[in-house]
Amino acid sequence: AQSVSQHNHHVILSEAASLELGCNYSYGGTVNLFWYVQYPGQHLQLLLKYFSGDPLVKGIKGFEAEFIKSKFSFNLRKPSVQWSDTAEYFCAVNERAAGNKLTFGGGTRVLVKP
Amino acid sequence: DAGITQSPRHKVTETGTPVTLRCHQTENHRYMYWYRQDPGHGLRLIHYSYGVKDTDKGEVSDGYSVSRSKTEDFLLTLESATSSQTSVYFCAIKPATNEKLFFGSGTQLSVL
Repeated sequence: AQSVSQHNHHVILSEAASLELGCNYSYGGTVNLFWYVQYPGQHLQLLLKYFSGDPLVKGIKGFEAEFIKSKFSFNLRKPSVQWSDTAEYFCAVNERAAGNKLTFGGGTRVLVKP
Repeated sequence: DAGITQSPRHKVTETGTPVTLRCHQTENHRYMYWYRQDPGHGLRLIHYSYGVKDTDKGEVSDGYSVSRSKTEDFLLTLESATSSQTSVYFCAIKPATNEKLFFGSGTQLSVL
């Protein structure tokens, strides 16, 4: 069974600092990759997704992620965070051969101090 | 938002009682999902549906059943609730393959 690993459970940083969240998955076949964000008290929202093409994907709110197939990774980045980026971030992977099941990582809680 | 309503939003129940959570969508999307969210585990898929009366198990399906008799409704039933099923439950919908999920607002379930 495929798995999705997010290396950091908690990240604390100051405003204007750069953010990088790691995500690795175990499946070797063709995948669709997602990052979702959950702001405090809210439901999950899509930040960005990768299906094919340019492995550097730009999402909403200044976030981007890079798909590195050889490393089975899809790390999320933001050059300069804001206090409003405080949230929990989830990486998710959909094996195309497995149909429509989406597997989530354990999440990373990000706290941005003003 | 994508027209998803979960009910109830909060529920407290006792061990051994049956509980049914409802997910209702107004988008006529084909795929519907039930996830549970627990600290450190992210979201784990319980069951999902790819059409009326077509459902399949996810990774944590034990103790749960689902039904989808209409496109718009996907019901999750805890046959005999246990304290380990205390969690936040999210419903999600997707229009087709290679599309993103749209999530509901969640149901906070506490089993005492």
